[in-house]
Amino acid sequence: DGGITQSPKYLFRKEGQNVTLSCEQNLNHDAMYWYRQDPGQGLRLIYYSQIVNDFQKGDIAEGYSVSREKKESFPLTVTSAQKNPTAFYLCASSIEGTERQPQHFGDGTRLSIL
Amino acid sequence: SQKIEQNSEALNIQEGKTATLTCNYTNYSPAYLQWYRQDPGRGPVFLLLIRENEKEKRKERLKVTFDTTLKQSLFHITASQPADSATYLCALGKDSSYKLIFGSGTRLLVRP
Repeated sequence: DGGITQSPKYLFRKEGQNVTLSCEQNLNHDAMYWYRQDPGQGLRLIYYSQIVNDFQKGDIAEGYSVSREKKESFPLTVTSAQKNPTAFYLCASSIEGTERQPQHFGDGTRLSIL
Repeated sequence: SQKIEQNSEALNIQEGKTATLTCNYTNYSPAYLQWYRQDPGRGPVFLLLIRENEKEKRKERLKVTFDTTLKQSLFHITASQPADSATYLCALGKDSSYKLIFGSGTRLLVRP
């Protein structure tokens, strides 16, 4: 079945450490996104990518970095510069087109600080 | 700045009744609105999309309305079932932008 796979499901970060969250999709979608979800808040966009080797900052990109070397993969690195990284991270993808299409989400990675 | 509001209090209804969830927005003119369902510990799942020139959209027991004058969308689940218990998110967007603005969601609890 086609879908989006995020790993790991749970991740712990030590102070000063960078961690990378994996996101892989086999839907053949061009666009991919990373969101952060905090309790009581809506999803906030961190980064998005429309095509391979190109990505743009979202609303809260500081302390995060991404790469898009393959169409299927869009990993997110949470750097030590992100001072409040504890959150639920969601990856999504969508079909490229003139009209925006629904986004398909993975089941998230929950990141906590040790 | 744009703002999207969903009732933060949980909606608690009896099985078989119609659940109605509200999504209000300000300082924004969306081209479309989407509704998603999210279960605990899972990612959101797309349910319905309604565009600005559409008043109503239906899918099985689901119905969405979109009033651009009131800046409001209503999401209805008829003949609700305990399996409908989840958090429902609304999201606004424009065709000119990849950015979706999400509400914080409303939790629905359907009692058997």
